[in-house]
Amino acid sequence: NAGVTQTPKFQVLKTGQSMTLQCAQDMNHNSMYWYRQDPGMGLRLIYYSASEGTTDKGEVPNGYNVSRLNKREFSLRLESAAPSQTSVYFCASSEPLAGGYEQFFGPGTRLTVL
Amino acid sequence: EDKVVQSPLSLVVHEGDTVTLNCSYEVTNFRSLLWYKQEKKAPTFLFMLTSSGIEKKSGRLSSILDKKELFSILNITATQTGDSAVYLCAVKALIQGAQKLVFGQGTRLTINP
Repeated sequence: NAGVTQTPKFQVLKTGQSMTLQCAQDMNHNSMYWYRQDPGMGLRLIYYSASEGTTDKGEVPNGYNVSRLNKREFSLRLESAAPSQTSVYFCASSEPLAGGYEQFFGPGTRLTVL
Repeated sequence: EDKVVQSPLSLVVHEGDTVTLNCSYEVTNFRSLLWYKQEKKAPTFLFMLTSSGIEKKSGRLSSILDKKELFSILNITATQTGDSAVYLCAVKALIQGAQKLVFGQGTRLTINP
C-alpha cells in the first residue's frame, strides 16, 4: 500500500517549456487535490477533483490544467512554465463520503523554472 | 474571502519549554479544523477538531477549538528537538462533495537543545 505517489521528485524547466506532474493513489479515494507550497504562503489549492470525471478550480488555477485520468490518477500540466511557478507541488487524496476528513499527501515535486 | 491566520510565524524555544501555536479563521461553511506537522516534505496529519471545547490529545501535543471566537490552539509540552517543524492549520469546507482546505501560512517552530 504505497498511499499517494508523485513523479518526478525534482524537475528543472526553462521558461516556456511544458511538463506534466503525475499523481496516483491506491486507497480508492474519490477526491484528489493539487497544491503548491511557497515560502510563507502555506499550501494553496490549485485544482481539485471531487470524483472521477470531474475537476474544479481552486485558489490559484491560472497557468495549470488537470486531468482526472481515472479514479487512481490525477495529473497536473504546465503548458508554458513561468518562473512564478517555481514551487513545491503536493498531491493529496481523501474520501469524504466515508467520513474520512483527513487528506493524505504525496511526497511532493520540487519544480524550478529558470 | 476565506482565510486562516496563524501566529506566530516563527518561534524558537529551548528543549523542555511549552509552546502554544495559534490559528484564527474566517471561513464560510466551516466543517472542521485540522492541524498538520511538516518536517521535510509532505505534511502529516495531527488532529481534526469539529466541536468547541473538546480537547484532542496525543502524547505531548494537544489542541482545542473555539467555534464562537473562531480560533484554535496547538500546545506542545516538554518540547524536544524532534518537534522542530512547520505546523500548519487548515480549515475544511465541503463544496460539491469535495473537501476544500484553506491553509494558514504555518508556524516554523525551532527547538534548540
